[in-house]
Amino acid sequence: AQKITQTQPGMFVQEKEAVTLDCTYDTSDPSYGLFWYKQPSSGEMIFLIYQGSYDQQNATEGRYSLNFQKARKSANLVISASQLGDSAMYFCAMRDRRGNYQLIWGAGTKLIIKP
Amino acid sequence: GAGVSQSPSNKVTEKGKDVELRCDPISGHTALYWYRQSLGQGLEFLIYFQGNSAPDKSGLPSDRFSAERTGGSVSTLTIQRTQQEDSAVYLCASSVTSGRNFYEQYFGPGTRLTVT
Repeated sequence: AQKITQTQPGMFVQEKEAVTLDCTYDTSDPSYGLFWYKQPSSGEMIFLIYQGSYDQQNATEGRYSLNFQKARKSANLVISASQLGDSAMYFCAMRDRRGNYQLIWGAGTKLIIKP
Repeated sequence: GAGVSQSPSNKVTEKGKDVELRCDPISGHTALYWYRQSLGQGLEFLIYFQGNSAPDKSGLPSDRFSAERTGGSVSTLTIQRTQQEDSAVYLCASSVTSGRNFYEQYFGPGTRLTVT
């Protein structure tokens, strides 16, 4: 069955440090996509980064990068040089060819950046 | 351009009443999704619309929940005879379904439903 696991319910990180948010997934479909979304306290869901299962390189978007380890079925989000505005909930999600493009979501990690 | 909009932003209703939640997707987005997010939880898929195809209703938790999408644009999620466990934030998202960015779902601000 499809499943996303985020094992860190909460994290505290000092401003300007790099932070890694863990995500593992499970699917039997060789074709799938992995997503990270940020949800600030205001509630909106903000798309951060996408990694396709056949992509040869790890995805990067500005300060965000995805450490994709296919054999381990992990897709960790790395935020470099963290900022106070990075404090939010972070969700990992997956889509494969089943389920009409619906995303399967992890429980989220609450990240707090300390000044 | 305009993003996904949802109304109302907050809704407080009494147990047993019906509620309607509205979603206006981004113009040109053929796919529309409804999710539910309970406090401190991830998102739970409810229903998916794609163009003129029959919707995927596999996530609707009970027959009290229904949704429609008129003219391939605006969608309404209706909850009949609301229960306290229906209290949650209801999020709508839309996307295109071609090209690289068809993976990316754009979310609205959500409707916070409280059933008293």
